[in-house]
Amino acid sequence: NAGVTQTPKFQVLKTGQSMTLQCAQDMNHNSMYWYRQDPGMGLRLIYYSASEGTTDKGEVPNGYNVSRLNKREFSLRLESAAPSQTSVYFCASSDRTGSSNQPQHFGDGTRLSIL
Amino acid sequence: GEDVEQSLFLSVREGDSSVINCTYTDSSSTYLYWYKQEPGAGLQLLTYIFSNMDMKQDQRLTVLLNKKDKHLSLRIADTQTGDSAIYFCAEGPFYNTDKLIFGTGTRLQVFP
Repeated sequence: NAGVTQTPKFQVLKTGQSMTLQCAQDMNHNSMYWYRQDPGMGLRLIYYSASEGTTDKGEVPNGYNVSRLNKREFSLRLESAAPSQTSVYFCASSDRTGSSNQPQHFGDGTRLSIL
Repeated sequence: GEDVEQSLFLSVREGDSSVINCTYTDSSSTYLYWYKQEPGAGLQLLTYIFSNMDMKQDQRLTVLLNKKDKHLSLRIADTQTGDSAIYFCAEGPFYNTDKLIFGTGTRLQVFP
């Protein structure tokens, strides 16, 4: 019963390096999200995807790009990492059932440090 | 714009009740949620309430919604050390988007 799977769990990068955070869900959800979590600031939405082939900016998109590869997978890319991007990154997914929305389900997070 | 606020810390004695509070600004959301985050883990959905309800009870958890004051609370009865975690309030979705707006989280510490 995997739910939302994120890889890697931990990563340390040097300033200027690039990397891609992977996320996959097995619940057949249409919507997927990327958040970052910083102390005292809660979760802030970076990008989201309402369906396969569509992506939209959230609250803090600068410095990030995303790809909705297929219905299952939604990746987050840092092209040139900066120390301000040190954070814990969470992927989530959700769906609608008729007229009601289902809650978002979260992965366990990727802890990213930029030196 | 939308904003959700919570106090940062709450400390309670084991066996007492805990009450975690949340205020929000946008009353157009469909649901209000409570998530729990244990150390090193992701967010786990605890409970949620439809925006036209006043109260929801689920075992030790009671959610109260005051729409007039835009205030949401989570009461945990008989708090245990295993309840120590960060609790996030969230509201959404809005209009035709599935986005949620999260509060800053309340760190609950339960001491013996």
